[in-house]
Amino acid sequence: DTEVTQTPKHLVMGMTNKKSLKCEQHMGHRAMYWYKQKAKKPPELMFVYSYEKLSINESVPSRFSPECPNSSLLNLHLHALQPEDSALYLCASSQDWMTATNEKLFFGSGTQLSVL
Amino acid sequence: EDKVVQSPLSLVVHEGDTVTLNCSYEVTNFRSLLWYKQEKKAPTFLFMLTSSGIEKKSGRLSSILDKKELFSILNITATQTGDSAVYLCAVQGGSEKLVFGKGTKLTVNP
Repeated sequence: DTEVTQTPKHLVMGMTNKKSLKCEQHMGHRAMYWYKQKAKKPPELMFVYSYEKLSINESVPSRFSPECPNSSLLNLHLHALQPEDSALYLCASSQDWMTATNEKLFFGSGTQLSVL
Repeated sequence: EDKVVQSPLSLVVHEGDTVTLNCSYEVTNFRSLLWYKQEKKAPTFLFMLTSSGIEKKSGRLSSILDKKELFSILNITATQTGDSAVYLCAVQGGSEKLVFGKGTKLTVNP
C-alpha cells in the first residue's frame, strides 16, 4: 500500500463553519505534512509532524489547526476561514522527517476547498 | 534564501516530440533534487537525484543532475497526450524542507 488517502475530495464551507480535513497512510511513515496549493502555484508547506509531534509550523494562521492522533492519521481543523483560504490542500508523508538524504514525499489527491 | 527556478513555465508540443524541462537551484547544503508530475491533484513522484552525472531513467522519461552548474533536466521522448501535466522540481537543502519551483505546464496535442 503506497497510498496517502485524503477526505473529503471537495469541501465548500462558509466563513463561520467548522470543518476538518483528514489524511491517512499505512506505509509506516513517521513524518506527515500539510501543504496548501493555489491554482497555478507550487505547493506551500504549512505543517510538518514527525513522530506525531509538530515539528514545523510555517506561521500559519490559527484558523488552521493541525492534529496528529496517531502515526497513521493527520487532521487539519478549519474554523472561521476566509475566501482567500480557498485552495487545494495536500497531505503528504515520508519515511522520516526530511533530515536524511533520500527522503521522498508521497502525496494524497488533496481536498479542494472553497470558502464562501 | 533557497530558490528553485523552472523553465519554461509552459510548453505546447505535438505527440511524438521530445521535450526537455529545466530546473536550476540555489540552496545551501544541497541534499537531493526531486521531480514530480502533477496531472489533476496529487503530485506523483518521478525521480530523486543526489549525485551528478548519473542519469535516472523510467521508460520514456529520464533525468540528470549537474551539481557543479546547479541544474537538472527532465527529458521526455516520444511524448504522448498522457504526458500532459505540470512537472514540479523540488530541492531539499539545509533548511530540511522541500523547496518547489513554479512548475512547467506541458501540453501534448494529438
